[in-house]
Parts: sequence; C-alpha cells; structure tokens
Amino acid sequence: NAGVTQTPKFQVLKTGQSMTLQCAQDMNHEYMSWYRQDPGMGLRLIHYSVGAGITDQGEVPNGYNVSRSTTEDFPLRLLSAAPSQTSVYFCASSSGLASNEQFFGPGTRLTVL
Amino acid sequence: GQSLEQPSEVTAVEGAIVQINCTYQTSGFYGLSWYQQHDGGAPTFLSYNALDGLEETGRFSSFLSRSDSYGYLLLQELQMKDSASYFCAVVNTDKLIFGTGTRLQVFP
Repeated sequence: NAGVTQTPKFQVLKTGQSMTLQCAQDMNHEYMSWYRQDPGMGLRLIHYSVGAGITDQGEVPNGYNVSRSTTEDFPLRLLSAAPSQTSVYFCASSSGLASNEQFFGPGTRLTVL
Repeated sequence: GQSLEQPSEVTAVEGAIVQINCTYQTSGFYGLSWYQQHDGGAPTFLSYNALDGLEETGRFSSFLSRSDSYGYLLLQELQMKDSASYFCAVVNTDKLIFGTGTRLQVFP
C-alpha cells in the first residue's frame, strides 16, 4: 500500500496562475480532507469529503475548489493563486469518520510569488 | 464557531513526564484527537477520546472531560525522539478541527 500520496512535493506559482494539487489514496477510505499549515500554526481545514460525489467546506475554503469523482482521488484546485496561499498543503484520509485515525500525505510546499 | 487552546511550547528532560493541556469551545462535539508532527513531516495519529476518562497507549495517555471542555495528553518516560509538535483536534460532526499546536522540546 502506498497510503496517501500527494503531487507535486514542491511548487512555485506566480500570482494569478491556477493549478491542481493531486491527492490519492489506495486504502479505500471514504473520508478525505485538505488542510493548509502555515508557520507556527496548526492545520486549517480547507475542504473535506465523506464519500465519492460529496464535498463540503471547511474553515478556510475561499480560493479553493475540490471534487470527488472517485473514492481514490481528491484534487484541490487553486483558481487564481495569491501570495496568501503560500503554505504547506496536507491531504488526509480515513475510513468512515473524521474521528477515525487520519492518514496524512507527505504534503505539498507551495510558494506563490 | 470553534476554538482550541493549548500551550505554545513545553520543555522537559529525558525520562520525565509532561502533560499538554487542551481546552476547547465548539458545537457538535464528538470527541478529541491528538496528533504528533515532527519538523518537516506529516501529522500522525496518537489517540482519540470520545468518552470521559483516561486512554492509555504505551508511554502516551490521553484524557477527556466533556463537562469541562478539557483534555490532555500525558507523555511518560520522555525520549529525545518525542521532541515534536503535538496538536489536539476536536471532532465536530464530520470535521476535524485542529488547535495551533504545542512544541515539545526534550533535553538530555
């Protein structure tokens, strides 16, 4: 099992560019989520999904879109990158519920110039 | 909304015991989770408390008091490898909301 994989590991964007952060898991987990982590801060929930075809907003959804067309994949799209979106992005998955052990991917370090 | 408070930093020596407290305010509370994160790494799950009381897993224990909106993580027999950030997180219906984390430094 590869667990939760994220690509790319590093990315530099210019203000206004768009991109998609990829997240995939091979554990047949229903629950997937995206977090961002800024220096000295905790993880803030961007979007989450309780199953294929179902997504919902977290604490900081503005500027981000998600979709969940399959159980395995949960991509995060930045529509028009801003310097405030410079952060480390983590994808996580779990079986069933948010209370269950969340398995985190290795993260994507994004810099927006 | 929800808020979680935990100390920003704790220091201890090898072999000691340290307690990291977490107080929270939230609606729709289901339980409290704890995660560990080493510098440059991803968070990893430590424990989850849905009911009041103490849960023990090896050197780590976690406690929850729902009536006091309070929990703590207890680390015993500290080792250098325990130096990391520790996050409490409330399970709020179908969301997991994290606190800002406590940085634990263990000294020899």
